[in-house]
Amino acid sequence: AQSVSQHNHHVILSEAASLELGCNYSYGGTVNLFWYVQYPGQHLQLLLKYFSGDPLVKGIKGFEAEFIKSKFSFNLRKPSVQWSDTAEYFCAVNARGGGNKLTFGTGTQLKVEL
Amino acid sequence: GAVVSQHPSRVICKSGTSVKIECRSLDFQATTMFWYRQFPKQSLMLMATSNEGSKATYEQGVEKDKFLINHASLTLSTLTVTSAHPEDSSFYICSATGATNTEAFFGQGTRLTVV
Repeated sequence: AQSVSQHNHHVILSEAASLELGCNYSYGGTVNLFWYVQYPGQHLQLLLKYFSGDPLVKGIKGFEAEFIKSKFSFNLRKPSVQWSDTAEYFCAVNARGGGNKLTFGTGTQLKVEL
Repeated sequence: GAVVSQHPSRVICKSGTSVKIECRSLDFQATTMFWYRQFPKQSLMLMATSNEGSKATYEQGVEKDKFLINHASLTLSTLTVTSAHPEDSSFYICSATGATNTEAFFGQGTRLTVV
C-alpha cells in the first residue's frame, strides 16, 4: 500500500515570499501524483498532477511541482505567494492502473500574511 | 472541470439515529465514487469505493454495516451512517470519476455532528 508524508503541517509566510511544501511518498510501483488545495469552506480543487513526462509540472495559480523519482518526492512550489493562497494543501498519490483511488498526505495549512 | 455536489453540507443528529449523505455528479457519469472521512487536523482517509450497480468495496477497518453505501445510478451515491454515535462525528467527503477521467472530482464535504 502507498503512503504519503507532508512534513510541514503549518506554514506562515508574508506576501511575496517563496513557498515550498514537501511531499514524499512510499510505494513500490509507479504512481500518479497530485496536489490539491482546499480554500476555507470550499471543495478540494486540483492544483496540478503528474502522470508521466516532464517531471516539472505547472498548475493553476502559478503553482508548480517537481517529481524527483530518486527521492520519492513531489514538492509544491510558488515563487511569490499571495494572501489569497491561504488554504490547506494536500499531496496525494494513486497507484498507476489502480483507478482514481487516492492516498492523501496529512495536509499543510498555509497562512499568508499581508 | 466536472462538478460534484454533496448534500447536506452540515448535519446535526441525535445519537442512535441514521443520517444519509448524498453525492451527485452534475455534468458527467460517475462510474466510480469514493467516500472519505477526515478527522480534525488529519488526512482524508478512504472509507470505501463504489462502482455503479455493484456493492461497495470497504477499506480495512471500516464497518460496512455502519456505513451503508449505495451507488444505484451513474450520478448518485449515498452514504448512510447508521445508528450514529458521537465518535462518528467527522467531515465526510465524496469524490467521483467517470470512465474516461484521469482524476477524481470532489464534493464540498459534509460536516456531521452527532450529539
